[in-house]
Amino acid sequence: GENVEQHPSTLSVQEGDSAVIKCTYSDSASNYFPWYKQELGKRPQLIIDIRSNVGEKKDQRIAVTLNKTAKHFSLHITETQPEDSAVYFCAARADRGSTLGRLYFGRGTQLTVWP
Amino acid sequence: DVKVTQSSRYLVKRTGEKVFLECVQDMDHENMFWYRQDPGLGLRLIYFSYDVKMKEKGDIPEGYSVSREKKERFSLILESASTNQTSMYLCASGGPLRTSRMTQHFGDGTRLSIL
Repeated sequence: GENVEQHPSTLSVQEGDSAVIKCTYSDSASNYFPWYKQELGKRPQLIIDIRSNVGEKKDQRIAVTLNKTAKHFSLHITETQPEDSAVYFCAARADRGSTLGRLYFGRGTQLTVWP
Repeated sequence: DVKVTQSSRYLVKRTGEKVFLECVQDMDHENMFWYRQDPGLGLRLIYFSYDVKMKEKGDIPEGYSVSREKKERFSLILESASTNQTSMYLCASGGPLRTSRMTQHFGDGTRLSIL
């Protein structure tokens, strides 16, 4: 099945700096890549997603890039703020066979933004 | 707004008890999921279901079972609770890929302690 690896596991940045989190996946059939943000004590919430027919997507200070050939995708946060501090999860999805509908998650990145 | 409701935020049970965790979604989603979340291990899929009365094993199904008698409700059952099942349990639901409902939405989680 699919295997998603996420790096780094922890990331500390100064307020205003950029943060980049990288994920790789193994199944070339994966075609949907969401990113979730989980603040302390709260549910994971979708912040941005990208489909395999798109190379980059941006939403204000966050952007995601996808390289299908290399099988990796990245989350970029610019002008970081303390409220960006959270655990971020990447995921991949391929709708086929018994995996229908499921996401394969990375292990998460704890981002800390220092004021 | 999508709502995924888990019956309890906190639950304390004893070793050997049969434990039921309930999850209800209000978006008529086809797919429902149960994850457990442990520090450093990310989100691990226990079971998922893509239709009423259908179920698929995830990555860590041992010691658990599930029930989906109605589309909106997905129950996780710990047949005989053990201390290593102390964890945060998250339910999620989502629709088919390539639709506006494909985003996977999470509940607030149930923190289960087995004594």
